[in-house]
Amino acid sequence: EVQLVESGGGLVQPGGSLRLSCAVSGFTFSGYWMTWVRQAPGKGLEWVANIKQDESVTYYVDSVKGRFTISRDNAKNSLYLQMNSLRAEDTAVYYCARGRDDSGAYRALSFWGQGTLVTVSS
Amino acid sequence: DIVMTQSPDSLAVSLGERATIDCKSSQSVLYSSNEKNYLAWYQQKPGQPPKLLIYWASIRESGVPDRFSGSGSGTDFTLTISSLQAEDVAVYYCQQYYSSPPFTFGPGTKVDIK
Repeated sequence: EVQLVESGGGLVQPGGSLRLSCAVSGFTFSGYWMTWVRQAPGKGLEWVANIKQDESVTYYVDSVKGRFTISRDNAKNSLYLQMNSLRAEDTAVYYCARGRDDSGAYRALSFWGQGTLVTVSS
Repeated sequence: DIVMTQSPDSLAVSLGERATIDCKSSQSVLYSSNEKNYLAWYQQKPGQPPKLLIYWASIRESGVPDRFSGSGSGTDFTLTISSLQAEDVAVYYCQQYYSSPPFTFGPGTKVDIK
């Protein structure tokens, strides 16, 4: 069974940092692009970042470029999101997700974790 | 970036009736070399992560009831629930995964029972 479990969320002050983790099981993690998607309270879904299997390619939404870094450890079956210079508008539930198949980045997201809440507030 | 829009913002449909949600992309998401539309539909219920319903614009994900169907091509797409059930109350999102990321989502359409 495919499982994705996020952790690392919490309350952080504006300008602070947080590192999110996503532990996966039930599939060959090293074979898939992985993605972070966020959802502000009561709002819609926002695609945040994704990363290629070997970490050689990453993409970010403009609003987080230069502040967030996506990474992965294939030996630990884990995905990460390092978030620096956090702003109030980064407050959201952060989901990690996997594409439908291992053929590339351009795939719908078929498996999602339950999400972890990040609150940026003083 | 490709901008996705959805209409309506919300709708209320009687049980057993049809629900239709439209999604429009600011540019075509049809890849000519493989004739695939890089468009997905998701369902999200309160307190839950999104669930993939439809990919390649019209292919139902495994386990998704056949009352859900997707159609359209290029820039205009539709999600249809042929006979609304109580468990279909949710917010529905379209997403394009065509262009170089970000793979943008639509703003969502809330579906309720009338």
